[in-house]
Amino acid sequence: SAVISQKPSRDICQRGTSLTIQCQVDSQVTMMFWYRQQPGQSLTLIATANQGSEATYESGFVIDKFPISRPNLTFSTLTVSNMSPEDSSIYLCSAPDREGYGYTFGSGTRLTVV
Amino acid sequence: AQSVTQLDSHVSVSEGTPVLLRCNYSSSYSPSLFWYVQHPNKGLQLLLKYTSAATLVKGINGFEAEFKKSETSFHLTKPSAHMSDAAEYFCVVSDRFGNEKLTFGTGTRLTIIP
Repeated sequence: SAVISQKPSRDICQRGTSLTIQCQVDSQVTMMFWYRQQPGQSLTLIATANQGSEATYESGFVIDKFPISRPNLTFSTLTVSNMSPEDSSIYLCSAPDREGYGYTFGSGTRLTVV
Repeated sequence: AQSVTQLDSHVSVSEGTPVLLRCNYSSSYSPSLFWYVQHPNKGLQLLLKYTSAATLVKGINGFEAEFKKSETSFHLTKPSAHMSDAAEYFCVVSDRFGNEKLTFGTGTRLTIIP
């Protein structure tokens, strides 16, 4: 299956600043996905990132707050902008695996905003 | 629209006894269904996937799940629990004929009693 390297694994940030999270996939994939997992809760899809086009955001998420880049078929970044303590969550990226069996997830970025 | 309901937020079983984690789904089309496991401070791992082939799906670590269309259920089972099974389990649905967006259930925390 695909392997996704995600970094940073964790960070503590000051409110009002921005953090960019990177995901590198070991194979070319058309779609990549970004999720948020708030403390003690399930995963919620933030957006779908296709190479060569703007990301598609889910209800409740906007590009100004969560800009996404997808410069090629193996890489994507998610920026959490103008952070507040409510943004403290685990952020995960995902991509379909090579065999089309399922989806592989990055190990997650645990973000704490103080 | 698709959705998934995990009927139990927390399940406790004794080591060596059977495990049953319940999941009901709703989907406009024939769905793909997944079970993922998340161990503490670790990433998500795919246990198994249903894609309209055999209704009884075997996964890793002795887990299996049965797709029952008449009951719109996809319950996860294991004959004998092991201490290492203690984790959070997520039932996930994807609209196979739509986009590849995954919708996660709220999760079931499995505790194994020694």
